Amino acid sequence: QKEVEQNSGPLSVPEGAIASLNCTYSDRGSQSFFWYRQYSGKSPELIMSIYSNGDKEDGRFTAQLNKASQYVSLLIRDSQPSDSATYLCAVMGFQKLVFGTGTRLLVSP
Amino acid sequence: DTEVTQTPKHLVMGMTNKKSLKCEQHMGHRAMYWYKQKAKKPPELMFVYSYEKLSINESVPSRFSPECPNSSLLNLHLHALQPEDSALYLCASSRGQGDTEAFFGQGTRLTVV
Repeated sequence: QKEVEQNSGPLSVPEGAIASLNCTYSDRGSQSFFWYRQYSGKSPELIMSIYSNGDKEDGRFTAQLNKASQYVSLLIRDSQPSDSATYLCAVMGFQKLVFGTGTRLLVSP
Repeated sequence: DTEVTQTPKHLVMGMTNKKSLKCEQHMGHRAMYWYKQKAKKPPELMFVYSYEKLSINESVPSRFSPECPNSSLLNLHLHALQPEDSALYLCASSRGQGDTEAFFGQGTRLTVV
């Protein structure tokens, strides 16, 4: 079983819709969870961090964490074409950051 | 300021060359990381430095040699690389190892010919 799993996509949504990205992880002891956005050919950019169960909102982004289900999600409201990128879920485990394979999001005008 | 600066942005080197990648941060972070990323794959951890000491080496071949001269600088020395080592090399830093957010530099695109 992979440590951090994501659907590779692509996830296609129309402009203005809500994009929902999901991630599961295997290490029950993990305490820190992150979402990075990566445009093609660029480096990962941190967009959200979440440490406790529940929702955390920042602008159009909402991260959701459920430690009992070992599940993290990212909602992007009012999706824009500029949101088209690969979204990497990352989990801090055993003193190191482990990435999922990423979900490619395509937002069509 | 969440800036991590990597140089050079692009590097082409032959298999017999020796080159170095450099990374710098001035956020007071005490953990610094090297990651390797191949196309359409997630970043893969290579090394972690914590308080200037090597903390994790993910069984990386010895042709990659990390160095942390001080708390702001991280180098990756390259020698006798293979074409399959061509990738995006990413440096990151965080306040502490296993602690809070990690911020990435813009990466060095390495091509081995």
